[in-house]
Amino acid sequence: AQSVTQLDSHVSVSEGTPVLLRCNYSSSYSPSLFWYVQHPNKGLQLLLKYTSAATLVKGINGFEAEFKKSETSFHLTKPSAHMSDAAEYFCVVSEGGGGNKLTFGTGTQLKVEL
Amino acid sequence: SAVISQKPSRDICQRGTSLTIQCQVDSQVTMMFWYRQQPGQSLTLIATANQGSEATYESGFVIDKFPISRPNLTFSTLTVSNMSPEDSSIYLCSARTGETQYFGPGTRLLVL
Repeated sequence: AQSVTQLDSHVSVSEGTPVLLRCNYSSSYSPSLFWYVQHPNKGLQLLLKYTSAATLVKGINGFEAEFKKSETSFHLTKPSAHMSDAAEYFCVVSEGGGGNKLTFGTGTQLKVEL
Repeated sequence: SAVISQKPSRDICQRGTSLTIQCQVDSQVTMMFWYRQQPGQSLTLIATANQGSEATYESGFVIDKFPISRPNLTFSTLTVSNMSPEDSSIYLCSARTGETQYFGPGTRLLVL
C-alpha cells in the first residue's frame, strides 16, 4: 500500500522569500513521486517528477524537490516566491513494481503576500 | 507529454438527470483515468478506462452510477447518472504516457 502525507494544509510566505512545502510518503516498492500545481479554477499541471534517477529534481518555474529515501520525504522548494505561485500544490506517489495507481496528498494551499 | 481537453468545462444540472463528460487526448495513450475532486478536497480515482473492455472501478464507485466508455486510444467519456447534490464536484480526465500522468482542465459540475 502507498500513502502520502502533506504536513501543512496552508503555507503563507512573503514575495521574494523561500518556499518549502513538505511531503512524506509510504510505499512498498520503489516509488515515483510527483508534485502537481492547481491554480484557482484551473486543471492540474505537472511541476516535477522523481522516477529513480537523480535525487534532486528540477521542475518548472524555479521549483525543485529532493528525494530522501532515509527520511521518506519529497519536499518542494523554491528560493524566491512570486505572487503567481499562489495555488494548491499536491504531492503524489505512484507505486513502482508495475503499479499505475496515483495516490494524492490532501494538498497544500500556498499564499504569497506582498 | 499529452494535451487533454474536456467538454463541457462546467455545467449546472438538476437532480435525477445524467451528464456525459467527454475527454480527448492529442495522442494515443494506453492508460486513461477519471478522477473526482470534491469541494476543498484532494483527488480520488473513480476508475481506469480500458480500451476495448469494461472500466476498472475503485472501491466506492460503481458502473451503474459512473458508466465509462473508451472506444479508442484517444477518447473516453464519463457519465454521472441520476445525479444528486452530493455529485457536485470537479471531474478530471487523466492520461498516462510513460511514468507520467497528465490531467485535463476538469469539468465543474453543480447539481441543484
